[in-house]
Amino acid sequence: NAGVMQNPRHLVRRRGQEARLRCSPMKGHSHVYWYRQLPEEGLKFMVYLQKENIIDESGMPKERFSAEFPKEGPSILRIQQVVRGDSAAYFCASSPTGTGRYGYTFGSGTRLTVV
Amino acid sequence: ELKVEQNPLFLSMQEGKNYTIYCNYSTTSDRLYWYRQDPGKSLESLFVLLSNGAVKQEGRLMASLDTKARLSTLHITAAVHDLSATYFCAVDMNRDDKIIFGKGTRLHILP
Repeated sequence: NAGVMQNPRHLVRRRGQEARLRCSPMKGHSHVYWYRQLPEEGLKFMVYLQKENIIDESGMPKERFSAEFPKEGPSILRIQQVVRGDSAAYFCASSPTGTGRYGYTFGSGTRLTVV
Repeated sequence: ELKVEQNPLFLSMQEGKNYTIYCNYSTTSDRLYWYRQDPGKSLESLFVLLSNGAVKQEGRLMASLDTKARLSTLHITAAVHDLSATYFCAVDMNRDDKIIFGKGTRLHILP
């Protein structure tokens, strides 16, 4: 079991470009969560998705950010027109159910740097 | 809104000493998680606590949960340098939803 796979591990974008972050959950996991971690801080919830559905996007900025988890393929977090303040580590987690009884497994993260 | 507070946020301690990290949360929940993060790395799951009075131990680390007090503790026994890391607690809101993280406790163990 390869665990939660995120790619790329590191991503550099110029201001105004688009960033696309990918997350493949563990085999058998259908619940995906995205978190953002600023330097020296904790993780902030962004969005919770199941296949083809956004369950909770209360942590997503209203503009420029979107997420999807299609029927086939990985979950994608998209950031349009990136700004310096978007520089952070973005972590994806997955779980087999939405109940948390089995915990959440985190991927290695994508470290986004906006220059 | 659920708030999760950890203290201390920074802790420097000598090898061989014991210490406790505290995690308080603001609303009813009986699911709490402890994670470890090394610099530049992902989060490693340490403990999943799912009921009042739950106690789990792994090596020099022991975690407990008191849902009535809305408090979890992570106790470190006879610390060793390898335990230097940032430790996060996270709480589930019992709504089959997301988990909310504390700010983390950066632990530095001096040889």
